[in-house]
Amino acid sequence: EAGVAQSPRYKIIEKRQSVAFWCNPISGHATLYWYQQILGQGPKLLIQFQNNGVVDDSQLPKDRFSAERLKGVDSTLKIQPAKLEDSAVYLCASSLTYGGTDTQYFGPGTRLTVL
Amino acid sequence: GENVEQHPSTLSVQEGDSAVIKCTYSDSASNYFPWYKQELGKRPQLIIDIRSNVGEKKDQRIAVTLNKTAKHFSLHITETQPEDSAVYFCAASDMRFGAGTRLTVKP
Repeated sequence: EAGVAQSPRYKIIEKRQSVAFWCNPISGHATLYWYQQILGQGPKLLIQFQNNGVVDDSQLPKDRFSAERLKGVDSTLKIQPAKLEDSAVYLCASSLTYGGTDTQYFGPGTRLTVL
Repeated sequence: GENVEQHPSTLSVQEGDSAVIKCTYSDSASNYFPWYKQELGKRPQLIIDIRSNVGEKKDQRIAVTLNKTAKHFSLHITETQPEDSAVYFCAASDMRFGAGTRLTVKP
Protein backbone atom coordinates (compact mmCIF):
# COMPACT_ATOMS: atom_id res chain seq x y z
CA GLU A 1 0.00 0.00 0.00
CA ALA A 2 1.39 3.40 -0.97
CA GLY A 3 1.84 5.82 1.89
CA VAL A 4 0.96 9.47 2.28
CA ALA A 5 2.82 11.55 -0.30
CA GLN A 6 3.88 15.16 0.20
CA SER A 7 5.69 17.67 -1.96
CA PRO A 8 7.92 19.50 -2.00
CA ARG A 9 10.14 17.98 0.68
CA TYR A 10 12.01 21.23 1.27
CA LYS A 11 11.22 24.85 0.57
CA ILE A 12 13.11 28.03 1.30
CA ILE A 13 11.38 31.38 0.82
CA GLU A 14 11.72 34.92 2.01
CA LYS A 15 9.24 36.50 4.37
CA ARG A 16 6.16 37.95 2.77
CA GLN A 17 6.37 35.45 -0.10
CA SER A 18 3.73 32.80 -0.73
CA VAL A 19 4.14 29.04 -0.59
CA ALA A 20 1.97 26.00 -1.20
CA PHE A 21 2.28 22.41 -0.07
CA TRP A 22 0.61 19.37 -1.58
CA CYS A 23 -0.53 16.14 0.05
CA ASN A 24 -1.92 12.96 -1.43
CA PRO A 25 -3.36 10.68 1.28
CA ILE A 26 -3.57 6.92 1.26
CA SER A 27 -6.18 5.80 -1.25
CA GLY A 28 -9.61 5.50 0.30
CA HIS A 29 -8.79 7.46 3.46
CA ALA A 30 -11.64 9.79 4.31
CA THR A 31 -9.86 11.99 6.84
CA LEU A 32 -6.88 14.21 6.10
CA TYR A 33 -4.92 16.30 8.59
CA TRP A 34 -2.37 19.09 8.27
CA TYR A 35 0.02 19.67 11.14
CA GLN A 36 2.70 22.26 11.82
CA GLN A 37 5.70 21.00 13.78
CA ILE A 38 8.11 23.66 14.95
CA LEU A 39 11.54 22.36 15.94
CA GLY A 40 11.46 20.89 19.44
CA GLN A 41 7.66 20.91 19.71
CA GLY A 42 4.84 18.49 19.16
CA PRO A 43 2.78 18.53 15.97
CA LYS A 44 0.09 21.20 16.09
CA LEU A 45 -3.13 20.39 14.25
CA LEU A 46 -3.91 23.10 11.72
CA ILE A 47 -6.89 21.65 9.90
CA GLN A 48 -8.81 18.40 9.59
CA PHE A 49 -10.90 17.37 6.59
CA GLN A 50 -13.47 14.64 6.31
CA ASN A 51 -13.72 13.94 2.61
CA ASN A 52 -13.85 17.48 1.17
CA GLY A 53 -15.41 19.16 4.20
CA VAL A 54 -13.60 20.95 7.02
CA VAL A 55 -14.12 19.31 10.41
CA ASP A 56 -11.76 21.40 12.53
CA ASP A 57 -9.76 24.47 11.60
CA SER A 58 -9.78 26.16 15.00
CA GLN A 59 -5.98 26.39 15.14
CA LEU A 60 -5.46 27.54 11.56
CA PRO A 61 -4.23 31.17 11.33
CA LYS A 62 -6.84 32.09 8.77
CA ASP A 63 -5.42 35.52 8.03
CA ARG A 64 -2.50 33.89 6.22
CA PHE A 65 -3.13 30.15 5.98
CA SER A 66 -5.66 28.42 3.76
CA ALA A 67 -6.28 24.82 2.82
CA GLU A 68 -8.54 22.93 0.51
CA ARG A 69 -9.28 19.36 -0.34
CA LEU A 70 -11.05 19.37 -3.65
CA LYS A 71 -12.89 16.17 -4.58
CA GLY A 72 -12.06 14.72 -1.19
CA VAL A 73 -8.71 13.30 -2.26
CA ASP A 74 -5.52 15.34 -2.32
CA SER A 75 -5.08 18.61 -0.49
CA THR A 76 -3.09 21.83 -0.65
CA LEU A 77 -2.03 24.08 2.20
CA LYS A 78 -1.06 27.65 1.38
CA ILE A 79 0.66 30.38 3.35
CA GLN A 80 0.36 33.96 2.10
CA PRO A 81 2.28 35.98 3.17
CA ALA A 82 4.83 33.91 5.08
CA LYS A 83 6.40 35.09 8.33
CA LEU A 84 9.64 34.04 9.97
CA GLU A 85 7.72 32.11 12.63
CA ASP A 86 6.18 29.89 9.95
CA SER A 87 9.49 28.05 9.64
CA ALA A 88 8.56 24.48 10.53
CA VAL A 89 7.88 21.03 9.15
CA TYR A 90 4.39 20.70 7.71
CA LEU A 91 3.07 17.21 8.12
CA CYS A 92 0.13 15.69 6.33
CA ALA A 93 -1.60 12.62 7.73
CA SER A 94 -4.61 10.53 6.79
CA SER A 95 -6.86 7.98 8.43
CA LEU A 96 -9.43 5.60 7.05
CA THR A 97 -12.52 6.95 8.78
CA TYR A 98 -13.60 9.94 10.78
CA GLY A 99 -14.12 9.90 14.53
CA GLY A 100 -10.62 10.04 15.93
CA THR A 101 -10.34 6.31 16.54
CA ASP A 102 -8.37 5.23 13.50
CA THR A 103 -4.64 4.99 13.03
CA GLN A 104 -3.11 8.09 11.47
CA TYR A 105 -0.47 7.62 8.82
CA PHE A 106 1.95 10.48 8.35
CA GLY A 107 3.67 11.69 5.22
CA PRO A 108 7.39 12.59 5.19
CA GLY A 109 6.65 16.27 5.71
CA THR A 110 7.70 19.49 4.01
CA ARG A 111 10.43 21.45 5.74
CA LEU A 112 9.81 25.18 5.28
CA THR A 113 12.46 27.77 6.00
CA VAL A 114 11.41 31.41 5.93
CA LEU A 115 14.30 33.88 5.68
CA GLY B 1 -10.60 21.37 21.59
CA GLU B 2 -8.70 18.81 23.65
CA ASN B 3 -5.80 19.87 25.88
CA VAL B 4 -3.12 17.18 26.26
CA GLU B 5 -0.30 17.58 28.75
CA GLN B 6 2.73 15.32 28.71
CA HIS B 7 5.43 14.67 31.32
CA PRO B 8 8.35 14.55 31.63
CA SER B 9 9.78 16.61 28.80
CA THR B 10 13.08 14.71 28.99
CA LEU B 11 13.89 11.30 30.39
CA SER B 12 17.24 9.58 30.63
CA VAL B 13 17.56 5.92 31.64
CA GLN B 14 20.18 3.23 31.63
CA GLU B 15 19.87 0.43 29.10
CA GLY B 16 17.68 -2.30 30.54
CA ASP B 17 15.75 0.01 32.84
CA SER B 18 12.09 0.91 32.41
CA ALA B 19 10.74 4.23 31.19
CA VAL B 20 7.33 5.73 31.92
CA ILE B 21 5.76 8.73 30.20
CA LYS B 22 2.47 10.20 31.37
CA CYS B 23 -0.22 12.23 29.65
CA THR B 24 -3.39 13.88 30.88
CA TYR B 25 -6.31 15.05 28.76
CA SER B 26 -9.23 17.36 29.32
CA ASP B 27 -12.08 16.15 27.09
CA SER B 28 -13.99 13.33 28.79
CA ALA B 29 -15.44 12.37 25.38
CA SER B 30 -12.02 11.32 24.09
CA ASN B 31 -11.93 7.60 23.43
CA TYR B 32 -8.75 6.94 21.48
CA PHE B 33 -5.21 7.50 22.70
CA PRO B 34 -2.26 6.82 20.38
CA TRP B 35 1.44 7.04 21.14
CA TYR B 36 3.98 8.01 18.49
CA LYS B 37 7.74 7.69 18.27
CA GLN B 38 9.64 10.27 16.26
CA GLU B 39 13.29 9.91 15.43
CA LEU B 40 15.33 12.92 14.40
CA GLY B 41 14.33 14.17 10.97
CA LYS B 42 11.65 11.53 10.50
CA ARG B 43 7.88 11.42 10.61
CA PRO B 44 5.94 10.31 13.71
CA GLN B 45 5.32 6.57 13.77
CA LEU B 46 2.50 4.96 15.72
CA ILE B 47 3.88 2.51 18.27
CA ILE B 48 0.80 1.62 20.28
CA ASP B 49 -2.71 2.88 20.88
CA ILE B 50 -5.53 2.24 23.30
CA ARG B 51 -9.26 2.72 23.14
CA SER B 52 -11.42 3.65 26.08
CA ASN B 53 -13.07 0.27 26.40
CA VAL B 54 -9.84 -1.25 27.76
CA GLY B 55 -7.57 -0.25 30.62
CA GLU B 56 -4.29 -1.68 29.42
CA LYS B 57 -2.69 -2.89 26.22
CA LYS B 58 0.68 -4.53 25.75
CA ASP B 59 2.88 -5.19 22.75
CA GLN B 60 6.16 -6.89 23.61
CA ARG B 61 8.21 -4.34 25.59
CA ILE B 62 5.66 -1.55 25.23
CA ALA B 63 2.47 -1.11 27.22
CA VAL B 64 -0.10 1.62 27.62
CA THR B 65 -2.47 2.09 30.54
CA LEU B 66 -5.56 4.26 30.62
CA ASN B 67 -7.43 5.70 33.60
CA LYS B 68 -10.58 7.32 32.22
CA THR B 69 -11.78 8.49 35.61
CA ALA B 70 -8.60 10.44 36.23
CA LYS B 71 -8.21 11.30 32.51
CA HIS B 72 -4.66 10.12 32.19
CA PHE B 73 -2.79 7.50 30.24
CA SER B 74 0.78 6.31 30.34
CA LEU B 75 3.36 4.67 28.12
CA HIS B 76 5.59 2.03 29.68
CA ILE B 77 8.74 0.76 27.97
CA THR B 78 10.52 -2.13 29.67
CA GLU B 79 14.05 -3.42 29.08
CA THR B 80 14.97 -0.24 27.25
CA GLN B 81 17.51 -0.37 24.45
CA PRO B 82 19.59 2.41 22.86
CA GLU B 83 17.38 2.25 19.75
CA ASP B 84 14.43 3.31 21.91
CA SER B 85 16.05 6.76 22.11
CA ALA B 86 13.68 9.19 20.36
CA VAL B 87 10.95 11.72 21.06
CA TYR B 88 7.65 10.20 22.11
CA PHE B 89 4.29 11.93 21.69
CA CYS B 90 0.89 11.13 23.09
CA ALA B 91 -2.34 12.27 21.47
CA ALA B 92 -6.06 12.15 22.11
CA SER B 93 -9.09 11.55 19.91
CA ASP B 94 -9.23 14.91 18.23
CA MET B 95 -5.57 14.49 17.33
CA ARG B 96 -4.14 17.11 19.63
CA PHE B 97 -0.59 16.08 20.52
CA GLY B 98 1.31 16.42 23.75
CA ALA B 99 4.53 18.44 23.75
CA GLY B 100 6.71 15.35 23.60
CA THR B 101 9.21 13.48 25.78
CA ARG B 102 12.80 13.13 24.67
CA LEU B 103 13.92 9.68 25.85
CA THR B 104 17.62 8.90 25.99
CA VAL B 105 18.73 5.35 26.72
CA LYS B 106 22.36 5.19 27.80
CA PRO B 107 24.27 2.03 26.89
